[in-house]
Amino acid sequence: DIQMTQSPSTLSASVGDRVTITCRASQSISGWLAWYQQRPGKAPYFLIYQASTLDSGVPSRFSGSGSGTEFTLTINGLQPEDFGTYYCQQVNRNFPFTFGPGTKVEIK
Amino acid sequence: QEQLVESGGGLVQPGGSLRLSCEASIFTFRSYGMHWVRQPPGKGLEWVAAISYDESKIFYADSAKGRFTISRDNSKNTLYLQMNSLKPDDTAVYFCGKDRLWESLYFYGMDVWGLGTAVTVTS
Repeated sequence: DIQMTQSPSTLSASVGDRVTITCRASQSISGWLAWYQQRPGKAPYFLIYQASTLDSGVPSRFSGSGSGTEFTLTINGLQPEDFGTYYCQQVNRNFPFTFGPGTKVEIK
Repeated sequence: QEQLVESGGGLVQPGGSLRLSCEASIFTFRSYGMHWVRQPPGKGLEWVAAISYDESKIFYADSAKGRFTISRDNSKNTLYLQMNSLKPDDTAVYFCGKDRLWESLYFYGMDVWGLGTAVTVTS
């Protein structure tokens, strides 16, 4: 089966900082990766699909990159509303559509 | 605005069954793949099952195989999750989600989510 890992598990950053979250797959998933943000008590919010395509209406400070087994989500210029937990999800049909364990982002 | 509304959650004893429903509005339900995702209290997201727009592709997490069945009724704009042989570990909020791309047999991630329905499995 496929395993998804994320690092770091928690990060604390200041408004305006550049933040990078890494997601790794235990097997190659090509570019079949999505990213989400979830605020406490809310449903997840879709950010990126196909590893690097920003969904409609998502602020341009978010970007994604990577392929194969290593992927990154970058927030350029962290904003107060960006707090929450970020999840990657692999969507390669050859494997279960597993989520990563999440990265909690706190605003200093 | 595209909307998904889950229902059918509740309290059930171990070994029992529940059927969750997810009703879609505003978008062309029959043209999109759909997913079920759950989140145990205080924990992360766990993908449960997915079904393509035409029902030709169905996928399950290992934890759901043999116990859960995903299905859809495109005439009613509704997605279902039949859950049998429930265990305490199945306790979670269950979300349904709409896949991103139109009429695709591939899956890209969920761009529309419901608010979830809570399932509690306890004796």
